[in-house]
Amino acid sequence: RKEVEQDPGPFNVPEGATVAFNCTYSNSASQSFFWYRQDCRKEPKLLMSVYSSGNEDGRFTAQLNRASQYISLLIRDSKLSDSATYLCVVNGNDYKLSFGAGTTVTVRA
Amino acid sequence: ETGVTQTPRHLVMGMTNKKSLKCEQHLGHNAMYWYKQSAKKPLELMFVYSLEERVENNSVPSRFSPECPNSSHLFLHLHTLQPEDSALYLCASSPGLAVYNEQFFGPGTRLTVL
Repeated sequence: RKEVEQDPGPFNVPEGATVAFNCTYSNSASQSFFWYRQDCRKEPKLLMSVYSSGNEDGRFTAQLNRASQYISLLIRDSKLSDSATYLCVVNGNDYKLSFGAGTTVTVRA
Repeated sequence: ETGVTQTPRHLVMGMTNKKSLKCEQHLGHNAMYWYKQSAKKPLELMFVYSLEERVENNSVPSRFSPECPNSSHLFLHLHTLQPEDSALYLCASSPGLAVYNEQFFGPGTRLTVL
């Protein structure tokens, strides 16, 4: 079983729409959770950390469900610039990050 | 310059060549990482250095040889690579090895092995 699994998509949505997707993780001892964004042929960049109580950063909302071992990302009022691959990243009890293969989102005009 | 830089950005090499990838971070971080990213696959951790000491060697073939002369610089020496080694090689740094530390990535070197 993969450590971190994501629906690869692509999720094709019109501008202004809401899009949401999940990722599941296998290590129940995982302690920290992140969403990174990777644009085509660019490096990953941190989008947001995911906290136990859930957190919001502008149009982006992240949730953590420890019981079911998944995290989610919701993007409201999608912009063309939101088109990217979103990487789910989980950290166990050390410095090693486990990456998902990414979920591709394409926002169309 | 700021952040994490990598050179070269693109590299094409034959299987018998020897080349090196360079990474430099200007963030004052103590930990540096090498990752491999193949198409449609998750990032794979290759090596981790903390304060110039290697703390992780993730079952990487010996044709990849890392070097960390100081906390700001990281190299990946390549020799007798295989075509399946073609990938994007990403360098990252973080303040330390703590669980909650964000990792900052360089732009990567896109490597093609002929």
